[in-house]
Amino acid sequence: GAGVSQSPSNKVTEKGKDVELRCDPISGHTALYWYRQSLGQGLEFLIYFQGNSAPDKSGLPSDRFSAERTGGSVSTLTIQRTQQEDSAVYLCASSTRAAGQGDTQYFGPGTRLTVL
Amino acid sequence: GQSLEQPSEVTAVEGAIVQINCTYQTSGFYGLSWYQQHDGGAPTFLSYNALDGLEETGRFSSFLSRSDSYGYLLLQELQMKDSASYFCAVRDHKDSNYQLIWGAGTKLIIKP
Repeated sequence: GAGVSQSPSNKVTEKGKDVELRCDPISGHTALYWYRQSLGQGLEFLIYFQGNSAPDKSGLPSDRFSAERTGGSVSTLTIQRTQQEDSAVYLCASSTRAAGQGDTQYFGPGTRLTVL
Repeated sequence: GQSLEQPSEVTAVEGAIVQINCTYQTSGFYGLSWYQQHDGGAPTFLSYNALDGLEETGRFSSFLSRSDSYGYLLLQELQMKDSASYFCAVRDHKDSNYQLIWGAGTKLIIKP
């Protein structure tokens, strides 16, 4: 079946511009995560959606970052007034809470964001 | 606070065995997962331990000791394609939801 997809795969933007990153999770997965990964670094949690619950936004680094998930499926991460330090790979993952699966997360290929 | 500690880099020889350790300090614990990430790729799931002991999947095994807040990933018969970063992650519970808390990753370098 289809995995997690993300678009665009690469995004180059100028400092101060807004960007939107899209994630299409695996069908039926109720949980969706956004992470940020700088070159050679670990995963930085950004935001988490679970079903119809209020999202966990505790990882968002500033109020320039926001995300929404429409209809419990597709999610969009928006970064306003981008800064050079926002340059990173943005990864999306989805998971199902089926018992025994340990909340295995399936990752998309990521969007590489470069802010000039 | 919550933290996971793993070595930043490990070097091994092709054909050998290597162990990557992970110690954790979290408010809750519902299992330890391992993920592999090749350069330029996305993390992919390797293994999951909810109970103490060893789980084996082919050349890879994962071990957990909950009393020691410790686990490891064991890779046998190393191949060049195993060169990647390996992340441990603890499944924790927050506000009625499960989440993964991630380590910073261990870069495995394999020499011929």
